[in-house]
Amino acid sequence: IVMTQSPDSLAVSLGERATITCKSSQSVLYSSNNKNYLAWYQQKPGHPPKLLFYWASTRQSGVPDRFSGSGSGTDFTLTISSLQAEDVALYYCQQYYTTPRTFGQGTKVEIK
Amino acid sequence: EMQLVESGGGLVQPGGSLRLSCAASGFNLSNYSMSWVRQAPGKGLEWISFISSGSTTIYYADSVEGRFTISRDNAKKSLFLQMNSLRAEDTAVYYCAREVLRGLSWFDPWGQGTLVTVSS
Repeated sequence: IVMTQSPDSLAVSLGERATITCKSSQSVLYSSNNKNYLAWYQQKPGHPPKLLFYWASTRQSGVPDRFSGSGSGTDFTLTISSLQAEDVALYYCQQYYTTPRTFGQGTKVEIK
Repeated sequence: EMQLVESGGGLVQPGGSLRLSCAASGFNLSNYSMSWVRQAPGKGLEWISFISSGSTTIYYADSVEGRFTISRDNAKKSLFLQMNSLRAEDTAVYYCAREVLRGLSWFDPWGQGTLVTVSS
C-alpha cells in the first residue's frame, strides 16, 4: 500500500490551523471491526518518531488536544488546531493494514 | 518507563556485515512483537523487518530480504538485526520499535536509533 501525504511542507502562523492529508492506495478500513489501520507520528530533528494517533483518530496519551486525527478508508487528515512553536516537526502517516507496513513521505511543518 | 536502546551501528565497507542490538526495558519483551525501521539521511521512514514474540513469524522488506536476519533473545530482553552484504543504500539510522498489537500494528515506543554508514 502506497501512502501519499500532502503537502510535502507547509508554513503556518503561530496560533493558526495546520492540516495534513494522507491518502492510501487502497482502503485501510477493516470491515470486520470497522477500524482504520492508520497511525500518525511526529518526528523532531535528531529524535525518533513519536506516536500521535492510532486507529486514525485515537489520540495517544499525553498528546495535546490541539492535535486531531480523522478520516476513513483511503483519506485521512491530521489537524493542528492552533500551531505552537513546539509543533515544528515532520509528520508521518503509516498504515498497518498489511505487510509491508508503509509510511507516507512526510510533511514538514514550519512557522510562517 | 518503557525504553529501547539500540547499539552496534558504525562505518562499514560495502559488502561488509554488522550486527545491531536493541535492549528493552520497562516492559516484558517476551509479550510483544518487534520491528526494525530505518531512515536514510534526510529521507522518510522504511519498515524493514518484523519478528513475533516467540520468533515464529518473521517478515522482511524486499529491500533487505536474503541479506538481513532478525532475531531475539527474550531472556536477555534483546532484539537483533544481522546485516550482511551491506550496500551504500543501507546507510541509515536504524530504529527498533515495539509492535503494540499482537499482529500488525503501529509502533510505540521507538529507540533513539543507531547510525549505520556503508562507505569505502
